[in-house]
Amino acid sequence: GESVGLHLPTLSVQEGDNSIINCAYSNSASDYFIWYKQESGKGPQFIIDIRSNMDKRQGQRVTVLLNKTVKHLSLQIAATQPGDSAVYFCAENMGDTGTASKLTFGTGTRLQVTL
Amino acid sequence: GAVVSQHPSRVICKSGTSVKIECRSLDFQATTMFWYRQFPKKSLMLMATSNEGSKATYEQGVEKDKFLINHASLTLSTLTVTSAHPEDSSFYICSARAGRGRGGYTFGSGTRLTVV
Repeated sequence: GESVGLHLPTLSVQEGDNSIINCAYSNSASDYFIWYKQESGKGPQFIIDIRSNMDKRQGQRVTVLLNKTVKHLSLQIAATQPGDSAVYFCAENMGDTGTASKLTFGTGTRLQVTL
Repeated sequence: GAVVSQHPSRVICKSGTSVKIECRSLDFQATTMFWYRQFPKKSLMLMATSNEGSKATYEQGVEKDKFLINHASLTLSTLTVTSAHPEDSSFYICSARAGRGRGGYTFGSGTRLTVV
């Protein structure tokens, strides 16, 4: 089945702490995953991606972990800043096979950074 | 980097009228674009895949006669919401894939449609 949008859960984190946002994906055939950040009234913004032949990938202040056994993806944000406040979505793709391959979005998590 | 421009950003229309939303790839050619719909505090739901020079591919449950998609060139796809009703009010977002870098998918800034 496909991931279906549900009511957004919220994660509240104090500025400077690390954030961990989780995502359960639905399709065991998916082999490419992307994390997006969406601010209010805007389109999704790319954060980091990972292919299924990896279990960890690091970027600037962000790390994505992939556990294919349990179909779980997480996004870790180090030293969370107020500017990180947004809604975060994971997206899965069944085969990075070119421009026609579509993304399926997860539920999303609202990250609130408190001062 | 790849840029997708979406217009208008906001539109208010009366029930029964039609509204057209444009999605342009500014610095790359996109044979395929995607249209999403997002309700408040919800995730993005794929409506259809827009294919240049051919018919769009609609997701299950999306009315093709209601949401008309035209992809007449490699840089422009349009979504027309026909005979709009208040329940069509939503945030519509397009995306295009320029390549495989940075996820490859570039999103427009979205269009907030309000039907009164």
